[in-house]
Amino acid sequence: DGGITQSPKYLFRKEGQNVTLSCEQNLNHDAMYWYRQDPGQGLRLIYYSQIVNDFQKGDIAEGYSVSREKKESFPLTVTSAQKNPTAFYLCASSPAAGFAGELFFGEGSRLTVL
Amino acid sequence: KQEVTQIPAALSVPEGENLVLNCSFTDSAIYNLQWFRQDPGKGLTSLLLIQSSQREQTSGRLNASLDKSSGRSTLYIAASQPGDSATYLCAVMNSGGYQKVTFGTGTKLQVIP
Repeated sequence: DGGITQSPKYLFRKEGQNVTLSCEQNLNHDAMYWYRQDPGQGLRLIYYSQIVNDFQKGDIAEGYSVSREKKESFPLTVTSAQKNPTAFYLCASSPAAGFAGELFFGEGSRLTVL
Repeated sequence: KQEVTQIPAALSVPEGENLVLNCSFTDSAIYNLQWFRQDPGKGLTSLLLIQSSQREQTSGRLNASLDKSSGRSTLYIAASQPGDSATYLCAVMNSGGYQKVTFGTGTKLQVIP
């Protein structure tokens, strides 16, 4: 079955540590996105990528980094510079970023800072 | 800047009732609008996508309408079931060289058996 796989589902981090969230899709989609979800707020865009080896900052990129070395993969690193990293992180993809195609989401990763 | 509002924030209805969820947006120059369902602790599941040139889309017991001129979309759920209990989010997609998407904060629906 085609879809988006995020791992791990739950992650605990000590302050000062970097952590990486995995996102893999087998939908053959060009565009991939990382969103952050906090209680009472709409999803906010962290980073997006339209093609391999290219990515752009979203609205809240500070303290995060990404890479897009393969079409299928778009990992997100939450660095120690992110002041409030505890949140639910959602990866998404769409067929292409040039026009507004349907968004598909993974199951999410919940990060908790201890 | 696009703003998306969903009212009410929470809704509780008895099983079998037909219901309407609302989504309002401030910038009518949109490409499309997408409705999602989110279960607790889970990702978003796409329900319906309405292109800007369309007025409505239907899937099973769900019907979504779009009125760009008034900046409104509604999601109609017929004959609600307990399994429909979830948070429903709308997302509005504007032009901008990349897929600029603005999400509402959702309506949490509880269908009581």
